[in-house]
Amino acid sequence: DTGVSQDPRHKITKRGQNVTFRCDPISEHNRLYWYRQTLGQGPEFLTYFQNEAQLEKSRLLSDRFSAERPKGSFSTLEIQRTEQGDSAMYLCASSATGWGNQPQHFGDGTRLSIL
Amino acid sequence: DAKTTQPPSMDCAEGRAANLPCNHSTISGNEYVYWYRQIHSQGPQYIIHGLKNNETNEMASLIITEDRKSSTLILPHATLRDTAVYYCIVHSGGGADGLTFGKGTHLIIQP
Repeated sequence: DTGVSQDPRHKITKRGQNVTFRCDPISEHNRLYWYRQTLGQGPEFLTYFQNEAQLEKSRLLSDRFSAERPKGSFSTLEIQRTEQGDSAMYLCASSATGWGNQPQHFGDGTRLSIL
Repeated sequence: DAKTTQPPSMDCAEGRAANLPCNHSTISGNEYVYWYRQIHSQGPQYIIHGLKNNETNEMASLIITEDRKSSTLILPHATLRDTAVYYCIVHSGGGADGLTFGKGTHLIIQP
């Protein structure tokens, strides 16, 4: 079990540029989640995939944000035309389906800084 | 998901038991109590969860009151590496949606 992996760990970019982050979930997990965390706050839910289907989106996910999970394996989160307010830690989590309530396991995130 | 209330910060001496309280008075019957912790610059780490029975694993124990309106996370022998922000989260069964994090409790273990 290698855990949830996120790449890159840090990203610095200029306002207006597009950025893309990648998440590799734990291999047997078919559920994948994206969260955003700003300084001093707890993580906030953005979106959720069951296999390749995106089943839920938070109102925080503006139309500049898009997430994909082709083939139900890794996922990408793209932010277009970045703004200062997009500076945050972007966290990915995955969980299994099955009996009982399966916990979500998080990666260590991608820290985005907008200049 | 039901709202939770936690103290913003707590201190505990190294080697002693750390008892972190959480109130969730509006919890509904199908909602579980989850605990996560987050060490600076890392993602949240799952600790333990339960529905109504007390639970124990290699990291901690979870005590849920009989009316399920509050719970306590117990770290039996705290070490300096347990210094972190601890989040108590109430989440419905099935787990097929996002967790709602509050601000958590910043636990500081004193040497």
